[in-house]
Amino acid sequence: AQRVTQPEKLLSVFKGAPVELKCNYSYSGSPELFWYVQYSRQRLQLLLRHISRESIKGFTADLNKGETSFHLKKPFAQEEDSAMYYCAPPSNQFYFGTGTSLTVIP
Amino acid sequence: NAGVTQTPKFQVLKTGQSMTLQCAQDMNHEYMSWYRQDPGMGLRLIHYSVGAGITDQGEVPNGYNVSRSTTEDFPLRLLSAAPSQTSVYFCASSYGIMSYEQYFGPGTRLTVT
Repeated sequence: AQRVTQPEKLLSVFKGAPVELKCNYSYSGSPELFWYVQYSRQRLQLLLRHISRESIKGFTADLNKGETSFHLKKPFAQEEDSAMYYCAPPSNQFYFGTGTSLTVIP
Repeated sequence: NAGVTQTPKFQVLKTGQSMTLQCAQDMNHEYMSWYRQDPGMGLRLIHYSVGAGITDQGEVPNGYNVSRSTTEDFPLRLLSAAPSQTSVYFCASSYGIMSYEQYFGPGTRLTVT
């Protein structure tokens, strides 16, 4: 089964600092991954998907086939970015990563 | 469209009680799923359905039952509640499982005492 891992359960950065949330995948083939975000006490929502190559709320995600990673990045973190972030393989989206809780310190 | 709706939003049960968490979607999605969210454990799949009349188990199915009699509804039944089932439960739906966005409900916060 296609699985992803998120090695960091908790991540804290200062406002204005760069942030990178890691997601590694462990399957071959053409990976297409999704990032979902959950703000405090809200429902999960799609943040971005690899295939669209969009930048949403300043976030981008780079697929690195050599490192089998799809890390989520933002050059300057904002307080409103504090949330729970999940990556998921779209070919088996039932199985999310364990999530990373991001806290942006004012 | 209401999207994915869940009821109730909060529930407190005593050990041994049973209850049904309701989930409905109005987007004509074939795929629906139930997750539980626990601190440090992320989202774990309980049961899922790929269409009306078809359900299957996920990672943590014990103690839960589901049925899918219509495309719109996917209720989750707790047979005999246990404190270990204290969690936040999310329902989700999507057009498919390959490269389709999942739409989530607002969640049900369940406490079992």
